[in-house]
Amino acid sequence: LAKTTQPISMDSYEGQEVNITCSHNNIATNDYITWYQQFPSQGPRFIIQGYKTKVTNEVASLFIPADRKSSTLSLPRVSLSDTAVYYCLLRSGSARQLTFGSGTQLTVLP
Amino acid sequence: DSGVTQTPKHLITATGQRVTLRCSPRSGDLSVYWYQQSLDQGLQFLIQYYNGEERAKGNILERFSAQQFPDLHSELNLSSLELGDSALYFCASSGGPNTGELFFGEGSRLTVL
Repeated sequence: LAKTTQPISMDSYEGQEVNITCSHNNIATNDYITWYQQFPSQGPRFIIQGYKTKVTNEVASLFIPADRKSSTLSLPRVSLSDTAVYYCLLRSGSARQLTFGSGTQLTVLP
Repeated sequence: DSGVTQTPKHLITATGQRVTLRCSPRSGDLSVYWYQQSLDQGLQFLIQYYNGEERAKGNILERFSAQQFPDLHSELNLSSLELGDSALYFCASSGGPNTGELFFGEGSRLTVL
């Protein structure tokens, strides 16, 4: 399974835009880039998924450059409740499991 | 609320014992996944079932076993428990056999004393 690399932790302030970048140099042609959010003692929650260019939903945006070797999750105007661990994963259409890496601990400060 | 129900929410037991964790997937979902999350290991994939059949196996110990029943609920059996088995055990479900968006339950916290 292709590996992803993301920062261990990030701090931000309320109201700011947060960008978390994930590297996936060995991404396969049929891999989708998927992001999950996890609060302490809760199960991960799907945020967004994309294949190329830009995807936006009511929660976040996902930017994927043409070479697809990295991706950036953008959280607009974060609040304290966005403090969580964010996981970047590669999901293959033929894969039968999702492998979670270490994730990025985002801490939003007042 | 993800629609995935896990019981019990908390469980305390002793080393050497056996426990069973239960998961009811979202209505209509055929795939069930089990993950273990401990402080030093992160989220580890254990096993996946699709419509009653084992479909993928991850880092699941031989002391652990699982099954999915005809009504699609799943059970994870942990035996000969060790201190290191203390962790949060998550169940997730999805509609199809090949991942897709996973919906996670709130987890079962197992403490082995």
